[in-house]
Amino acid sequence: NAGVTQTPKFQVLKTGQSMTLQCAQDMNHNSMYWYRQDPGMGLRLIYYSASEGTTDKGEVPNGYNVSRLNKREFSLRLESAAPSQTSVYFCASSPTWGGGSGYTFGSGTRLTVV
Amino acid sequence: QQQVKQSPQSLIVQKGGISIINCAYENTAFDYFPWYQQFPGKGPALLIAIRPDVSEKKEGRFTISFNKSAKQFSLHIMDSQPGDSATYFCAASRETSYDKVIFGPGTSLSVIP
Repeated sequence: NAGVTQTPKFQVLKTGQSMTLQCAQDMNHNSMYWYRQDPGMGLRLIYYSASEGTTDKGEVPNGYNVSRLNKREFSLRLESAAPSQTSVYFCASSPTWGGGSGYTFGSGTRLTVV
Repeated sequence: QQQVKQSPQSLIVQKGGISIINCAYENTAFDYFPWYQQFPGKGPALLIAIRPDVSEKKEGRFTISFNKSAKQFSLHIMDSQPGDSATYFCAASRETSYDKVIFGPGTSLSVIP
């Protein structure tokens, strides 16, 4: 009954380093999302995958790439981290695209880029 | 057209009082309005949601009021408790469309004893 699992929970990167944030869901959901949350900015959509095999850009995709590895897993990659990418990252999933049935969020990855 | 406005940004309420958070949207095509609750260090969790065919939905101490003509909806937390202290996000989407969910900026609620 795990829901959405994100790893790691915390990470500190140096500017220019790369890393991949992992996300897996066990609810057989079709759609998955990556958000970033910054103080005063709410939740901003980075990338989404409406269904297995598809990915699309959200509001703030620059500096990120994603991979929908299979129906369960959706990873977010930072190729060359920048201080502006310091944020809390949330993965979410929903049964279908559009959120009409609500999103299930993971517990987040707190990333600091120094 | 796609924005969801939320107020206040922060709210302090005494234990036992009523917490009220307001949201407004612009896109009349939206037909699903959820509220999410987020505790510190956790991800947001779906709290309650409403569709525009009803003007009010109540679940325990949490009530959503919906005003379709004004394009506004609000969350009322009755008998607020310290355990309700969290950030609350309203959101809007088109339930049967391939459009993304639009989140409000959030309200930080503190319930003091």
